[in-house]
Amino acid sequence: GAGVSQSPRYKVAKRGQDVALRCDPISGHVSLFWYQQALGQGPEFLTYFQNEAQLDKSGLPSDRFFAERPEGSVSTLKIQRTQQEDSAVYLCASSLAEGSYEQYFGPGTRLTVT
Amino acid sequence: GNSVTQMEGPVTLSEEAFLTINCTYTATGYPSLFWYVQYPGEGLQLLLKATKADDKGSNKGFEATYRKETTSFHLEKGSVQVSDSAVYFCARYTGYSTLTFGKGTMLLVSP
Repeated sequence: GAGVSQSPRYKVAKRGQDVALRCDPISGHVSLFWYQQALGQGPEFLTYFQNEAQLDKSGLPSDRFFAERPEGSVSTLKIQRTQQEDSAVYLCASSLAEGSYEQYFGPGTRLTVT
Repeated sequence: GNSVTQMEGPVTLSEEAFLTINCTYTATGYPSLFWYVQYPGEGLQLLLKATKADDKGSNKGFEATYRKETTSFHLEKGSVQVSDSAVYFCARYTGYSTLTFGKGTMLLVSP
């Protein structure tokens, strides 16, 4: 069975460019999470969806970050006017339901802003 | 606040040695606790979990016991293998189904 997939796996952007990162969760998973993992650090929460509803976006570091999940499946994390401090691995995870403890993680997208 | 602190790595061991990776958490209440593992080139995988005080999570020879008295969830394995080399993350459940992670501890096991 397919796990969580993310694309692209690697993205190099010049400072000031906009980027879009895609996440395909496991089919049927209601909850979807985005995390940011800086080099040598643990993942940090960015935002959470239950179906198409974005229930928590408290972790988004600035208004340049925007996430959507319009049909309750695929999600896109968009970063506008990228800055060097945005360089990180962006992880997507999904779980079967709210309160279901196991989150299944994708391989991540490594974003490098030059 | 809600935070997780784990020992810094790398932890370097010989095969068949005993492993302990310390993890402590701050909490209001009794959050569920987790250990995740990240093998080289792979995504995060759930290794084990404990959902209430005194629970012991176990998987693949790894164990961790939820100790509310010491707010700890230390990871242990009696005999490590080279294939256990990875980065290990302690995490706690923080409302809204989200996870708060520690910084990770790299384990390197040599033959």
